[in-house]
Amino acid sequence: DAKTTQPNSMESNEEEPVHLPCNHSTISGTDYIHWYRQLPSQGPEYVIHGLTSNVNNRMASLAIAEDRKSSTLILHRATLRDAAVYYCILRPRYNQGGKLIFGQGTELSVKP
Amino acid sequence: EAQVTQNPRYLITVTGKKLTVTCSQNMNHEYMSWYRQDPGLGLRQIYYSMNVEVTDKGDVPEGYKVSRKEKRNFPLILESPSPNQTSLYFCASSPPGPHQPQHFGDGTRLSIL
Repeated sequence: DAKTTQPNSMESNEEEPVHLPCNHSTISGTDYIHWYRQLPSQGPEYVIHGLTSNVNNRMASLAIAEDRKSSTLILHRATLRDAAVYYCILRPRYNQGGKLIFGQGTELSVKP
Repeated sequence: EAQVTQNPRYLITVTGKKLTVTCSQNMNHEYMSWYRQDPGLGLRQIYYSMNVEVTDKGDVPEGYKVSRKEKRNFPLILESPSPNQTSLYFCASSPPGPHQPQHFGDGTRLSIL
């Protein structure tokens, strides 16, 4: 079964870029890669997703390796409000995205 | 406002006393799912539902039941709660398909004594 692996924690300075890695070496060709973040005392919120190509939105960018065995969530300028736990999640196509595969999450702290 | 609503938000109860955590969404989403979150273990999927009357097990379904009689509601039932079910629970919903983002509720903190 596919699974994702993330570092437990990372630190960043305010206004600097942050690269959050995720390893999913057993990913299948049709699994979508999703990223969510969880602010303290809140439910997870969607950040970005992709399949093969790199993706950009107003919150972040997602860089997907050519072999799809890893991906990186990029926050271009970290702010104090970006301090959260970031989850890399696979949503497989084979079961129409029903059963998800989770990583343990990376706790990002941002220093002023 | 589009939202997923969970009730109760907090509950302290005793072992063996049946309880239900409700989840309701107002976005007409087909897909709904329940997760539990424990320190050091991250999020784990309990059950999910692809549509009305269609449910399936996630990674940790033992001790839980679900039902999906209406599209908007997906209650989580603990028939005989035990202390190892003390956890933070989240409900989520999305349109169908693996590319769809999920909307999460604010969570329900359950303490089973």
